Amino acid sequence: ILNVEQSPQSLHVQEGDSTNFTCSFPSSNFYALHWYRWETAKSPEALFVMTLNGDEKKKGRISATLNTKEGYSYLYIKGSQPEDSATYLCASWWDTGGFKTIFGAGTRLFVKA
Amino acid sequence: DAEITQSPRHKITETGRQVTLACHQTWNHNNMFWYRQDLGHGLRLIHYSYGVQDTNKGEVSDGYSVSRSNTEDLPLTLESAASSQTSVYFCASSESNGGYNEQFFGPGTRLTVL
Repeated sequence: ILNVEQSPQSLHVQEGDSTNFTCSFPSSNFYALHWYRWETAKSPEALFVMTLNGDEKKKGRISATLNTKEGYSYLYIKGSQPEDSATYLCASWWDTGGFKTIFGAGTRLFVKA
Repeated sequence: DAEITQSPRHKITETGRQVTLACHQTWNHNNMFWYRQDLGHGLRLIHYSYGVQDTNKGEVSDGYSVSRSNTEDLPLTLESAASSQTSVYFCASSESNGGYNEQFFGPGTRLTVL
């Protein structure tokens, strides 16, 4: 059964703290992993698309790593700011004879000033 | 600028009625997706299309249908609305198959079934 797990479910940090979240997925037939940032009352916006084992992506203070052999990805935020408060979603893609995608339930980040 | 729009943004309907939610994108993307947002589940895939005349079922397709007659539009139809279909619905599009490209999401449609 294909499923994507994200942890923690929610996280409260102080401004300036660095933080990280985990996305776990079945590694068999893995094809790609997406990270999205979703602010309240808005639509999800893509952060990263990752495809290769050992892939690393960075955008400003946010970075992500991917381990396709063990089936996980980490998202890191360095020096959290209040504007980083959002839900962070990951979505895994698999090639099982046709492409299939499942989103995790997300990690809700609260950054207190 | 290219965009993806959804209409209506809010809809209230009654149990048993047929409802159609519109999704229109000007990215010229081949791939289009419909998701519903449920508490504790994030986004769940309802139906998707990889091109004109192509439609596929997602993980929660029961009670929903889609048709793709052109590149720009993928309307989602609830054949006979049920209270369990009260949710926020998001349409998305992407450039290629298989997840190599990010998805662009519409603003969402909040549907209430009474």
